[in-house]
Order: sequence, then structure tokens, then C-alpha cells
Amino acid sequence: DIQMAQSPSSLSAFIGDRVTITCRASQSISNYLNWYQQKLGKAPKLLISAASSLESGVPSRFSGSGSGTDFTLTISGLQPEDFATYYCQQSYSTPLTFGQGTRLEIK
Amino acid sequence: QVTLRESGPALVKPTQTLTLTCTFSGFSLTTSGMCVSWIRQPPGKALEWLALIDWDNDKYYYKSLKTRLTISKDTSKNQVVLTMTNMDPVDTATYYCARIRYSGYDWKAFDMWGQGTMVTVSS
Repeated sequence: DIQMAQSPSSLSAFIGDRVTITCRASQSISNYLNWYQQKLGKAPKLLISAASSLESGVPSRFSGSGSGTDFTLTISGLQPEDFATYYCQQSYSTPLTFGQGTRLEIK
Repeated sequence: QVTLRESGPALVKPTQTLTLTCTFSGFSLTTSGMCVSWIRQPPGKALEWLALIDWDNDKYYYKSLKTRLTISKDTSKNQVVLTMTNMDPVDTATYYCARIRYSGYDWKAFDMWGQGTMVTVSS
């Protein structure tokens, strides 16, 4: 199974800050990496697929990069609605594994 | 408009079998490349992929739970059913169904999710 490790596990930031979340795969997954946002009590929402492809309707302050084993999600100019938990997920092979999540909190 | 909705019991007893139904609309599981998956999330914990069924009725399971899981579909009703046997308190979680597509050589992302159904395992 491919293991996905996210860092940090939690993060505090101010409105307007730029933050970066990292996801590392236990083996190369090319660009088969997706990012989700989950707000409390809600289902996850797909933000970015194929490492860097922004889903329709997702604000351009979200961006993703990386290939192989190392990936990043960057949020430029944090907004109040961005405070949530973020998960990476590999779609290279089954089982389709998720990272452990990064909780983004307001400082 | 694509929607998915999970349904099933909110409470099951240890050793019982859980049956969850995902009823979806806006797409068909007879369309090439279409798949539906089940994912769960224990309270305060991360997402865990459980199982997937595709348009061709191929099925994929999380290895450590494979002996307990069965996924099936009823294309006439636009439903996917997950059964999990021998339920334990550690299986307490919110269970989600989600759509994912297969391009022919790679999996895409879980692009649409149900709202989830919370299942508590307790005597």
C-alpha cells in the first residue's frame, strides 16, 4: 500500500497569510495526487486533482504542485472560509489512500 | 446535477452486519469509467478508503477489511450497497460514498461526495 504523510498535522495562521501544506508519498505516484478541504461536520470537497489542476469554482488562491513523491498545497491570502482540515489522497493505485490531514486554524 | 446520499442504521450492535446504501443521481454506473466508492471517517480521525465498484462490476477492497466487506450495485435503482460484517466499536465512523472515474489507465479523484451517515457500534 502507498502511505501518504502530511505535514504539519496542524497549523495556525492569520487572515491574509500564505500557507503551505506538504504531502509525501511512500513511493512515486507521478502526479496522481488530489487535495480535499473538509469543514467541520461536512463531507470533503475536491480542490485540486492531478497535483495541480484546480477544480471548477475553487478560488485561484489555492494552488498545488509536485510530482513523484513530494507535493504541496499552497493557499495565498488566507480567507476566513479557508480554515478547515485538508487531506491529500493518491489515485495511483488501490487502495486509494489518504494522508492523515492538516488542520488549519485561525491565529 | 450529481448527488449522492447515504442511508442506513445509525446504531448497530457489536458482531452485527452493517448495510449501507448509496443512492445517486446525475450519472449512471453503466457509463464506462464511472465508479462509486465508500470511505469512512472515525470521529476526529482521518479518511479511510474502504471499497470501490466500477461500471464493469469490478470490485476493489481495502485489504485489511476485505474479508468483512462486500460492495454491490443495482444500476436500475442507481444504488451501491456496502455490507460490513462483524461490526466492532472501532468501526464507529461517518461513512461516505463518493464518485470517482477511471480514465482507462488511471483513477481520477473523488469529485462528488454524499453528506455522510454516522454509524455508532455499541451494545
